[in-house]
Amino acid sequence: DQQVKQNSPSLSVQEGRISILNCDYTNSMFDYFLWYKKYPAEGPTFLISISSIKDKNEDGRFTVFLNKSAKHLSLHIVPSQPGDSAVYFCAASDTGTYKYIFGTGTRLKVLA
Amino acid sequence: GAVVSQHPSWVICKSGTSVKIECRSLDFQATTMFWYRQFPKQSLMLMATSNEGSKATYEQGVEKDKFLINHASLTLSTLTVTSAHPEDSSFYICSARARDRDQPQHFGDGTRLSIL
Repeated sequence: DQQVKQNSPSLSVQEGRISILNCDYTNSMFDYFLWYKKYPAEGPTFLISISSIKDKNEDGRFTVFLNKSAKHLSLHIVPSQPGDSAVYFCAASDTGTYKYIFGTGTRLKVLA
Repeated sequence: GAVVSQHPSWVICKSGTSVKIECRSLDFQATTMFWYRQFPKQSLMLMATSNEGSKATYEQGVEKDKFLINHASLTLSTLTVTSAHPEDSSFYICSARARDRDQPQHFGDGTRLSIL
């Protein structure tokens, strides 16, 4: 039972354009969401998070949007750069357990 | 800031041996550390949660006698894979979180374990 889903295993975007990565969840108890970036042979690096009391959080080129009614969140990267090429994981948590449930990841390739 | 170091990064050993993996928070005190396992092209699966000075809490299906976790200090947790077998071969990643539960987990670079 996959509680957090990233339905696109891969995405290719031209440099300078917007990258949109999507994530869906099923557990309505989740109230904290995060995006991590992962390069091969390295651990995930924290990018940005959002609490369920918000619907948007922005940090530089990265913006996360949360649609609670649809149980959907997305990560926007604008403008995309070749160095953004990596695997992106979304994670969800509830403040009761503070455990993270990860999606299966989306491999982003930004083409120069 | 928020650096987590994991060692070793790669281990190859014979079946039946035990392997210890260390996870250290270098610039913050980690009251809670987490151990994950990742299979190829799959998600990170939480194995156990450890709080400093107390016993680890294991996720369903994870053998606690197989995967021994010790969180002896606020900067160090260890995972020992006992009597390792080829099916234990995987990518193991630790993460650490400070006392403030609203802070995100910070991850080590993982350990690639190959059991022959």
